[in-house]
Amino acid sequence: GAVVSQHPSRVICKSGTSVKIECRSLDFQATTMFWYRQFPKQSLMLMATSNEGSKATYEQGVEKDKFLINHASLTLSTLTVTSAHPEDSSFYICSARDPRWTEAFFGQGTRLTVV
Amino acid sequence: GQNIDQPTEMTATEGAIVQINCTYQTSGFNGLFWYQQHAGEAPTFLSYNVLDGLEEKGRFSSFLSRSKGYSYLLLKELQMKDSASYLCAVREVDTGFQKLVFGTGTRLLVSP
Repeated sequence: GAVVSQHPSRVICKSGTSVKIECRSLDFQATTMFWYRQFPKQSLMLMATSNEGSKATYEQGVEKDKFLINHASLTLSTLTVTSAHPEDSSFYICSARDPRWTEAFFGQGTRLTVV
Repeated sequence: GQNIDQPTEMTATEGAIVQINCTYQTSGFNGLFWYQQHAGEAPTFLSYNVLDGLEEKGRFSSFLSRSKGYSYLLLKELQMKDSASYLCAVREVDTGFQKLVFGTGTRLLVSP
């Protein structure tokens, strides 16, 4: 299958600071990537669709100024959590679809802890 | 919009068979996926259905009825390592873009 790499896997930051999470498609080009958030013992909640060369499409209830998404190339999308607060602590995970495959592939996820 | 429901938790014993149901209401349906996820890890793909019927893949099978908005994942000969969360996900076409929306997820506990 295709490979999606996400970095960092874990990050701890102080309240009020910003954190950037990277999602890379390693062996294919992804015009679209997706960002999800997952709380403990819950399912994945789609936050936004990242589109290469254009603005991201955010799901209802997701603050676009809080969660900045940039998809500057066909292999890289970034999610920046701005002015992080403890309630932003969560597992963030990206995915991308390689047209050669039916299913989407996921990054390893990023465990964000805001203290 | 979408509304994808699964039972929250299920328990079963090693060697048994378990069926995890998923019901959905969505617009722009373009396929249904089942993923397995262990805690703290990325989901891994199990199966895909886009037409009605049963898809079999080793110990795992998945069924889809589009008219009923219903799918199930069947796990046979359960093993301890099958303890995980199982996520039903619907691929939707929305304003020209495809996106994958996940259900509530089912935590399966397999006991000896």
